[in-house]
Parts: sequence; structure tokens; C-alpha cells
Amino acid sequence: DTEVTQTPKHLVMGMTNKKSLKCEQHMGHRAMYWYKQKAKKPPELMFVYSYEKLSINESVPSRFSPECPNSSLLNLHLHALQPEDSALYLCASSQGGERYGYTFGSGTRLTVV
Amino acid sequence: AQTVTQSQPEMSVQEAETVTLSCTYDTSENNYYLFWYKQPPSRQMILVIRQEAYKQQNATENRFSVNFQKAAKSFSLKISDSQLGDTAMYFCAFMKNYGQNFVFGPGTRLSVLP
Repeated sequence: DTEVTQTPKHLVMGMTNKKSLKCEQHMGHRAMYWYKQKAKKPPELMFVYSYEKLSINESVPSRFSPECPNSSLLNLHLHALQPEDSALYLCASSQGGERYGYTFGSGTRLTVV
Repeated sequence: AQTVTQSQPEMSVQEAETVTLSCTYDTSENNYYLFWYKQPPSRQMILVIRQEAYKQQNATENRFSVNFQKAAKSFSLKISDSQLGDTAMYFCAFMKNYGQNFVFGPGTRLSVLP
């Protein structure tokens, strides 16, 4: 298995809703990442988990809450989002970061109404 | 801080022709890695090719090759025998040694025309 699987592929949520994005990989990678990508822009790093511990939090608002239950699974819990949070959310994993690059998932297209 | 520049927001090429995408970067690091990622309409970021800065030899992957000029801080991507499936947004990316985050360029939208 050489894929990063993200669910759901599309999500529409209201500003008072609570929802979660899920990311899964079975390549034995020990680092996992959340990126946010607005239309026609490059991805922006949100969080990095290394060996199941949060190692980087790029000053993301607390309405985004990451969780890494085990080395294969990464969640992003969403609560009280704003319309400007609408974007493509990409998950990625790596075995050695800079040396090998990342394997990305196909993303979750999030719309906040 | 590092920056990555892609000066061509959009490009087009005829099927079977060759096209070169430009990328320049700025860094004070000596050891680093450079990447080209493509993002087709399917949205997934796909690694096209990577280059280690300490290697002088240019990386190649089938129809994809790079021209890496370390002194000039230039890292262009050449796509030979362009195919319709090459239509995508292409991002040039930098990562320093022991880094955990890419610095992406703004992207070049490539259209391959039949």
C-alpha cells in the first residue's frame, strides 16, 4: 500500500457544526502532516506529527484540533469554523522528510456555510 | 528565510513537444533538497522529481529531467514528449536539510494541447 487515504472527499458544514477529517497511511511512515490549500495557491503547513507527537503547529487557530491516535492515523477535528476556512485540506506522510519528499493524499474539499 | 519563485503563472505546450518550467530560489543553506510536484485536477500532489543539492548530476525520471544550477540557484523542469496527462499545476519546492516543511513556489499551470 503506497497511498495516503483521506476521508471524506467533500464536506459542507455550518459554522456551529463539529466535524472531523481523517487521514490514514500504511507505509510505515512516522511523520504525518496537515496542509491547507486555498484556490490557485500552494499548500500551507498547519501541523506536523513526528512519531505520534505534535512537533510543529504553525500558529493555527484553536478551532482546528489535530489528533494522532497511532502511527497510521491522523485526524483533524473542526469546530466553529469560519467561511474563510473553506479550502482543500491535504494530508501527507513521509519516512524521511527532506530526503524522500512526502506522499500526499487527494484531500478533503471543505466548504463552511 | 527561503523563498521560491516560479515566474511563469501559465504555460501551454502541444502534445509530444518539449516544455521547460522555470524555478529560482533563495537560500543561505548549503545542504538542501529541491522537488517538483504536480497537482492535476484530481487534487493529489504527486512527486515528479527530486534533487539533492550536494549532487552535481541532474536528476532524471523518464520524460522528466531537471537543470540544477546551484550557483545560480535555479532548478528548471523539462518535460519531454508531453502527454495530455501532464496537464496540471506544477509546484517547485525547497526543503532544507533536517527540515520538516516545504517552501513552495506559487505554481505554474501547464496545459498540454492535443
